[in-house]
Amino acid sequence: AQSVTQLDSQVPVFEEAPVELRCNYSSSVSVYLFWYVQYPNQGLQLLLKYLSGSTLVESINGFEAEFNKSQTSFHLRKPSVHISDTAEYFCAVTPWGYGGSQGNLIFGKGTKLSVKP
Amino acid sequence: SAVISQKPSRDICQRGTSLTIQCQVDSQVTMMFWYRQQPGQSLTLIATANQGSEATYESGFVIDKFPISRPNLTFSTLTVSNMSPEDSSIYLCSVSPGEAGGEQFFGPGTRLTVL
Repeated sequence: AQSVTQLDSQVPVFEEAPVELRCNYSSSVSVYLFWYVQYPNQGLQLLLKYLSGSTLVESINGFEAEFNKSQTSFHLRKPSVHISDTAEYFCAVTPWGYGGSQGNLIFGKGTKLSVKP
Repeated sequence: SAVISQKPSRDICQRGTSLTIQCQVDSQVTMMFWYRQQPGQSLTLIATANQGSEATYESGFVIDKFPISRPNLTFSTLTVSNMSPEDSSIYLCSVSPGEAGGEQFFGPGTRLTVL
């Protein structure tokens, strides 16, 4: 079985400050890893994903996440946040062995990022 | 990516009644998923819906409570039956395009309040 732990339920930061949202996972098989973002009153959107290859993945809006297999982590970072980044961020995994793209997504409980001016 | 719509976007229902949520996709997809997001909680998979076969339910969810239809490759419905206040949640459908990568695309969700 897989599980995902997001250590911080809420992260308040000031605009232009750096931020890290932490995600750890547990799995007996290899997994794909994802970060989803949910803006207020909107649906979930895929932010970035790690499948294989380079352990550092980037999104188009300046976020990046690094896969660390030894620490089973996939932390999300941004060097300078904007007010528009205020949202809830969910880390998720899906196991390879469950059919890859047809597998169940297991979500963490989410981290609410609040960016203040 | 896929564009997904859900109806209704929100509803307020009385206990003991049932609500059917519709999910429409703008392209044909093999697999669709239904999730529940309870207040302050993360998303939990209810079931996987494949066209032409019975839905597969996760532990803790049963067909009598959450019947699902999947009549074609672009549409699915989830019914929340005999509702109680504990069913108050956001219900989301998602699709997997079937490409390598496992990512899923989500609909905007249906916010259900049961009084």
